[in-house]
Amino acid sequence: GEDVEQSLFLSVREGDSSVINCTYTDSSSTYLYWYKQEPGAGLQLLTYIFSNMDMKQDQRLTVLLNKKDKHLSLRIADTQTGDSAIYFCAEKTGGGADGLTFGKGTHLIIQP
Amino acid sequence: NAGVTQTPKFQVLKTGQSMTLQCAQDMNHEYMSWYRQDPGMGLRLIHYSVGAGITDQGEVPNGYNVSRSTTEDFPLRLLSAAPSQTSVYFCASSYSSVGTHNEQFFGPGTRLTVL
Repeated sequence: GEDVEQSLFLSVREGDSSVINCTYTDSSSTYLYWYKQEPGAGLQLLTYIFSNMDMKQDQRLTVLLNKKDKHLSLRIADTQTGDSAIYFCAEKTGGGADGLTFGKGTHLIIQP
Repeated sequence: NAGVTQTPKFQVLKTGQSMTLQCAQDMNHEYMSWYRQDPGMGLRLIHYSVGAGITDQGEVPNGYNVSRSTTEDFPLRLLSAAPSQTSVYFCASSYSSVGTHNEQFFGPGTRLTVL
């Protein structure tokens, strides 16, 4: 079955880069997503990558996809206090209209 | 556009009570879905709908019913609430769900406690 794994916590110093990792098991994934959830709020789409791409960059965000190893990462450059949130990796498979499969989320903690 | 709206924001129920969580979107999206979020569990899909009159089960459908009589609304019903249904519930919508990427927009969530 489908499974998306993430580490639960990541702590970085303000100004450093944050790298959040994710692994997935379904090789038929078509799109992979990163969502951000701030305390008490819903999920906000940060970025996504199509499965035939290796990398996508969007301002401070860089997504790397290793399809062979089924590994996805999100790099946040120059991490700021406003980046403190839970980051969810999610995959969408090609078979049917069954929504997204989410990881458990990584809490990003920013140290001053 | 208001986007995806959910009511209520908070609710406390006693075991065995019933209630309906409301979800509405004004973006003319075909696809709508309900997720529940539990600590350390991420989001799990409860039910989804690919259009008015069509619903289907997700990963954790037991104890919940849905209907989709209009494109805009997708209510989630708890017929007999149980403490295991204590959770935060998110409604989401997108233009479509099949094939190409379509961003899912999430509502602000409903925090439900069942005593």
